[in-house]
Amino acid sequence: SQQGEEDPQALSIQEGENATMNCSYKTSINNLQWYRQNSGRGLVHLILIRSNEREKHSGRLRVTLDTSKKSSSLLITASRAADTASYFCATDEGNTGKLIFGQGTTLQVKP
Amino acid sequence: EAGVTQFPSHSVIEKGQTVTLRCDPISGHDNLYWYRRVMGKEIKFLLHFVKESKQDESGMPNNRFLAERTGGTYSTLKVQPAELEDSGVYFCASSQDDPGRYEQYFGPGTRLTVT
Repeated sequence: SQQGEEDPQALSIQEGENATMNCSYKTSINNLQWYRQNSGRGLVHLILIRSNEREKHSGRLRVTLDTSKKSSSLLITASRAADTASYFCATDEGNTGKLIFGQGTTLQVKP
Repeated sequence: EAGVTQFPSHSVIEKGQTVTLRCDPISGHDNLYWYRRVMGKEIKFLLHFVKESKQDESGMPNNRFLAERTGGTYSTLKVQPAELEDSGVYFCASSQDDPGRYEQYFGPGTRLTVT
């Protein structure tokens, strides 16, 4: 069964604006990871947040995790055209390392 | 430090032919994973190696797919015979010890087109 599901599926904003993407999942998790994929390229790891953490920051990225609602959000502040990409959340079932991905959110940042 | 590398970057083969994909993980990473994304669908787990052993191959679609990791270093994924529905992007990832604790680093993927 599909685990992580992103919302929205597509997002278009102007440079300088903030972008928020949400992810929902169904079962208990060990951790949740966010990845970025530029067109035609590989997946780049952004942030890993563990089940006992509520918020994590990395540069212009802020990730929150609400295990009671089984949801996570990724906030990109002061977006840039280079942030244009697809963003995926992935959950880890237990300690197996097996990642379950959602469909992703396609973000377009217009200059 | 070199990242995860995959070869080839793109492969076009005819239905019924055989293709072998290769993945070189980050040096020292015992955990190696294969995933794939078929057109319009989510990225799906195929299997997980810990060193040379298959830890979990629950995502392998059928017996036309064979993965190996002899010596616990690089891995190969063979598709034989290839079918049209095998087309997609095959990703490899690696991580440090204690699977589930550390982030997975992905390679650029191999785009497989079966015609």
